[in-house]
Amino acid sequence: GNSVTQMEGPVTLSEEAFLTINCTYTATGYPSLFWYVQYPGEGLQLLLKATKADDKGSNKGFEATYRKETTSFHLEKGSVQVSDSAVYFCALSRLSNFGNEKLTFGTGTRLTIIP
Amino acid sequence: EAGVAQSPRYKIIEKRQSVAFWCNPISGHATLYWYQQILGQGPKLLIQFQNNGVVDDSQLPKDRFSAERLKGVDSTLKIQPAKLEDSAVYLCASSYQGALGPLFGQGTRLTVV
Repeated sequence: GNSVTQMEGPVTLSEEAFLTINCTYTATGYPSLFWYVQYPGEGLQLLLKATKADDKGSNKGFEATYRKETTSFHLEKGSVQVSDSAVYFCALSRLSNFGNEKLTFGTGTRLTIIP
Repeated sequence: EAGVAQSPRYKIIEKRQSVAFWCNPISGHATLYWYQQILGQGPKLLIQFQNNGVVDDSQLPKDRFSAERLKGVDSTLKIQPAKLEDSAVYLCASSYQGALGPLFGQGTRLTVV
């Protein structure tokens, strides 16, 4: 079946550090890939997405490239801020046997940025 | 554009009681999802609607959970009777086309004591 594996947290970085959160997936065919962010006490927000191989999704300084050869979608940011502290979820969307899009999430990575 | 609306935001009930959650999706979104997010875990899909029909409820505990989507718009999720392990955040999401990524509401935090 489809699955998403994220690096385990928590991750603690200093402000302005470089961020990488690893995400790999298992799926047949060509899923769409997403990163969602969840700030404390809030729901999930779509951060970025990529729908085909070699696509790069980007938003708010975050980037992730869809790598089919390594089945990966790692999240990166060049210089993190305290406001980036949140839980980050990698997810994939794939057509189910019923013909509907089915979203599968990773377990999440908690990121804390210290001033 | 208004987002996905959910109510209530918080609910505390005793075990064996019943509870209902409400969701109003983004206008025009045909697909509606209910997810359960237990503390420290990723969201787990409970049920997915396409308009007012169920397309996936394989992980819904049907002995105690039920959901409906009348007229293909609003949806309610009910738990009866609740168990301690149902304590979680219940997230509603909607999408126009799945490949674009569902958009989520703020969720309802349920505590069963």
